[in-house]
Amino acid sequence: DIQMTQSPSSLSASVGDRVTITCRASQSITRYLNWYQQKPGKAPKLLIYAASNLQSGVPSRFSGGGSGTDFTLTISSLQPEDFATYYCQQSYSAPGFTFGPGTKVDIK
Amino acid sequence: EVQLVESGGGLVQPGGSLRLSCAASGFTFSSYSMNWVRQAPGKGLEWLTYISSGSRTIYYADSVKGRFTVSRDNAKNSLYLQMNSLRAEDTAVYYCARTYYDSSGYSPGAFDIWGQGTMVTVSS
Repeated sequence: DIQMTQSPSSLSASVGDRVTITCRASQSITRYLNWYQQKPGKAPKLLIYAASNLQSGVPSRFSGGGSGTDFTLTISSLQPEDFATYYCQQSYSAPGFTFGPGTKVDIK
Repeated sequence: EVQLVESGGGLVQPGGSLRLSCAASGFTFSSYSMNWVRQAPGKGLEWLTYISSGSRTIYYADSVKGRFTVSRDNAKNSLYLQMNSLRAEDTAVYYCARTYYDSSGYSPGAFDIWGQGTMVTVSS
């Protein structure tokens, strides 16, 4: 099974900061990597699919990159509504569309 | 409006059974593969099972294989999760989620529409 890790597990940042979250797969998943945002008590929301494709309606301050085993999610200028937990997910290997453990972004 | 609504959660004793439902609306349910994902209190997301649009292909996570069964009724626009032999560690919010397809019909395997979740508590 493919294992996913994320770093950092949490971070504190200020409005306007540039934030980068890293996701690593235990083996190559080419570009089958997706990113989700989840706020407390809410369902996850798809932000990025296939490593770098912005889901419709998602602000352009979100961007994704990477391929193979190493991926990033970048928020270019953090906004108040971006404080949430972010999860990566691999969709390369079925069964087992594994999620990463999450990165919580909170206010400094 | 594209929507998924889960139901059927509740309190069940260890070893018991529960059947979750997910009602879809606002899209052609029969054209989409579907998934169940859960989240234990204070924990991360765990993918559980995938079912193709016509039910021909089904996958399960090792943690639920042999205990949980996914099914769908395209005529009723509904997805189901039959959960047997429940354990305390199955306590979680259970979400149904739609597999995303782009305009060309390609799926990168992401989940673009999620329900609000239904809570399952396994406790004596």
